[in-house]
Amino acid sequence: NAGVTQTPKFQVLKTGQSMTLQCAQDMNHEYMSWYRQDPGMGLRLIHYSVGAGITDQGEVPNGYNVSRSTTEDFPLRLLSAAPSQTSVYFCASSYQGAPNEQFFGPGTRLTVL
Amino acid sequence: GENVEQHPSTLSVQEGDSAVIKCTYSDSASNYFPWYKQELGKRPQLIIDIRSNVGEKKDQRIAVTLNKTAKHFSLHITETQPEDSAVYFCAVYPYGNNRLAFGKGNQVVVIP
Repeated sequence: NAGVTQTPKFQVLKTGQSMTLQCAQDMNHEYMSWYRQDPGMGLRLIHYSVGAGITDQGEVPNGYNVSRSTTEDFPLRLLSAAPSQTSVYFCASSYQGAPNEQFFGPGTRLTVL
Repeated sequence: GENVEQHPSTLSVQEGDSAVIKCTYSDSASNYFPWYKQELGKRPQLIIDIRSNVGEKKDQRIAVTLNKTAKHFSLHITETQPEDSAVYFCAVYPYGNNRLAFGKGNQVVVIP
């Protein structure tokens, strides 16, 4: 099993550009989520999904879109990148929702100039 | 939303000593309390968790204790080793809203 994978590992964008961060898992987990990690701020939830076709907002959803067309994939879209979105992004998945072990991907380091 | 605080923000300990870090939360309906370890440049990984029907849980050198009345739980690391140096995040699951709320993290430094 590859576990949770994320691409790309690093990305530099210019303000106003759009892009998609990819996340996939091969553990047949129903619950998937996206977090951003900023220095001194911990892990903040952006969006999450409890299964294919179902998504919901987290703590900091503005400027991001998600979709969940399959159990395996949960892409995060930045619509119009802003310097405030410079961060490390982690995707995570778990078998039975939030109150269970979250398996994190390796992260994507995004810089917006 | 759930308010999760961790103290102290940074903790330095001599190798072999014990380390204790505390997490406080606000929602009394919370019922799941994990601790994650993040080494520099790596992803967070679960090291131990506890549910509200248990007061203490141990796994080798680490333990978690829960005080639901006071709304706090603590991570205990005994016989610390250099590989215990990392950032530790606590999280809380407020029952029913299907999301975890993380604290801001504690930096633990083990001095050889």
